[in-house]
Amino acid sequence: EAGVAQSPRYKIIEKRQSVAFWCNPISGHATLYWYQQILGQGPKLLIQFQNNGVVDDSQLPKDRFSAERLKGVDSTLKIQPAKLEDSAVYLCASSHPGTGNTEAFFGQGTRLTVV
Amino acid sequence: KQEVTQIPAALSVPEGENLVLNCSFTDSAIYNLQWFRQDPGKGLTSLLLIQSSQREQTSGRLNASLDKSSGRSTLYIAASQPGDSATYLCATPTGTASKLTFGTGTRLQVTL
Repeated sequence: EAGVAQSPRYKIIEKRQSVAFWCNPISGHATLYWYQQILGQGPKLLIQFQNNGVVDDSQLPKDRFSAERLKGVDSTLKIQPAKLEDSAVYLCASSHPGTGNTEAFFGQGTRLTVV
Repeated sequence: KQEVTQIPAALSVPEGENLVLNCSFTDSAIYNLQWFRQDPGKGLTSLLLIQSSQREQTSGRLNASLDKSSGRSTLYIAASQPGDSATYLCATPTGTASKLTFGTGTRLQVTL
């Protein structure tokens, strides 16, 4: 079974530029998550999708971050314009839908550096 | 609001030692608790998941325990090896939306 795929693995951009990350979840997983992990901290949820609908985006900085999951499969996360504090690893995860009693599987992450 | 804490933040042990990593959580009404491994610059690899009805789970040299009433979980690593060097994170789902609340991790170094 293929795992969660993310691209690119690394990205370096200047502040105020825009960037997009892509995620392909495990086949059949209806729930998809984007997490932000700042160096030395645990991951923090940015947005959660159930199929192509948003379940939780309470911690997504909506003035600069956006995400979509067209057709309930692949997802993209965009930052525009980027700030220095957006430097982090962006992790995508997926799981079967449920009431929290399911295992989450993570991709390799995208390391973003904003200079 | 669920808060997850991991102690110690960093740990260095010689090869062959058994060790215990600690994870505590403030809200005991959890569905499960998951332990992950993270290598530098990489994503998270799921190690063990303990359901709320279970007290422990084992996989190879790893054993995770869960005590909901005290809000604690431990990850026991037997006969540690240099390849075990990584950051270990615990996480638990929050509410019915199943988003994970993570601890800040324990950075483990196993020396030769």
